[in-house]
Amino acid sequence: DIVMTQTPSSQAVSAGEKVTMSCKSSQSLLYSENKKNYLAWYQQKPGQSPKLLISWASTRESGVPDRFIGSGSGTDFTLTISSVQAEDLAVYYCEQYYDTPLTFGSGTKLEIK
Amino acid sequence: EVQLVESGGGLVQPGRSLKLSCAASGFTFSNYGMAWVCQAPTKGLEWVASISTGGGNTYYRDSVKGRFTISRDNAKNTLYLQMDSLRSEDTATYYCARHADGTYGFDYWGQGVMVTVSS
Repeated sequence: DIVMTQTPSSQAVSAGEKVTMSCKSSQSLLYSENKKNYLAWYQQKPGQSPKLLISWASTRESGVPDRFIGSGSGTDFTLTISSVQAEDLAVYYCEQYYDTPLTFGSGTKLEIK
Repeated sequence: EVQLVESGGGLVQPGRSLKLSCAASGFTFSNYGMAWVCQAPTKGLEWVASISTGGGNTYYRDSVKGRFTISRDNAKNTLYLQMDSLRSEDTATYYCARHADGTYGFDYWGQGVMVTVSS
């Protein structure tokens, strides 16, 4: 199974600050034939279902604010929120869809100071 | 508007069965792979099972193989999860989710249904 490791487990930032969170996979998620990374990022706000933010490691979903930026390749990935807003309070999960079993990281909880 | 509405959850004793349903609307159900993802109380997300557009291909995590069965009825726009031989560790909120086109990411999620396995 591909193990997804997210760090940190939680972090607190003030509104307007930049935040980065990491997701590392135990094997490469880069498929050589199409040069795509099979990684997604989700946001789960308290009491809500998860929401897809980014697929293919860096492709923002329609309607997702451009302050959410996905980057990375291979085994190391990053989600950056360029200027955190109060409504970004949530747990953020990465997921690999390179192979089954599909696996998620344990999440990064973002708290707003 | 895409909508996924789960039903069928509840309290069940260990060893018993439960069947979850997910009613889909707002998109052409038969064109999308579908999945179930669970989340134990205060825990993270865990993929349970997926099914191809026509239902001919199914995939499961090891811990549910032989106990859970994912299926779909494209005429009724409904996804199912038959859960047999339930264990306490199956206690979780179960989400129905749509696989994003061309990927095994999940682009739409239901609101979730709680399954509690306890005597």
